[in-house]
Amino acid sequence: DAGITQSPRHKVTETGTPVTLRCHQTENHRYMYWYRQDPGHGLRLIHYSYGVKDTDKGEVSDGYSVSRSKTEDFLLTLESATSSQTSVYFCATWELRNTEAFFGQGTRLTVV
Amino acid sequence: QQPVQSPQAVILREGEDAVINCSSSKALYSVHWYRQKHGEAPVFLMILLKGGEQKGHDKISASFNEKKQQSSLYLTASQLSYSGTYFCGTVPSGNTGKLIFGQGTTLQVKP
Repeated sequence: DAGITQSPRHKVTETGTPVTLRCHQTENHRYMYWYRQDPGHGLRLIHYSYGVKDTDKGEVSDGYSVSRSKTEDFLLTLESATSSQTSVYFCATWELRNTEAFFGQGTRLTVV
Repeated sequence: QQPVQSPQAVILREGEDAVINCSSSKALYSVHWYRQKHGEAPVFLMILLKGGEQKGHDKISASFNEKKQQSSLYLTASQLSYSGTYFCGTVPSGNTGKLIFGQGTTLQVKP
């Protein structure tokens, strides 16, 4: 199994508070992704990274920021959490064009 | 923009066949297919690169028509273990890093 670890796995937070989710990989993959999964919407891309300090926006990036200071870590930050950001968040990594992407186990975030 | 999958949901009896379609508005470099069981992470099924190839393993296969920017996943003689949500992921031509998934197709196989 690919070494991808998401932390925390579960979090409940209050509206307006900052939240940071962490994705750690041991595979040395170039690309890293953050998705959110909501019923009826599938997996929606928030941000992705194509190298250290190289990131780009996905389809639903408003309200989220990311950072990648090391190959192995990709952080997702909600600067001021809102109830609409309640979701399951998945991190994924990918190396080559003709190989599979690997997913972390997900983080369930509830904003109350 | 997310690729569009159809149908949204399928209910089958064991042994029946199913086809799941994935369509993109952009020119594609590759298409990925994943299956997700409830409460788990998506698991890779196969990847198809541009060139119109068809792939398969066991009784699951897929095709990719790059001219139409479409891919189809074929499940034959379905088994109970095939139940889950299927996602196609697309990588646009010219940007080989941006992996975008569709909204998913829920497949339920009944005895």
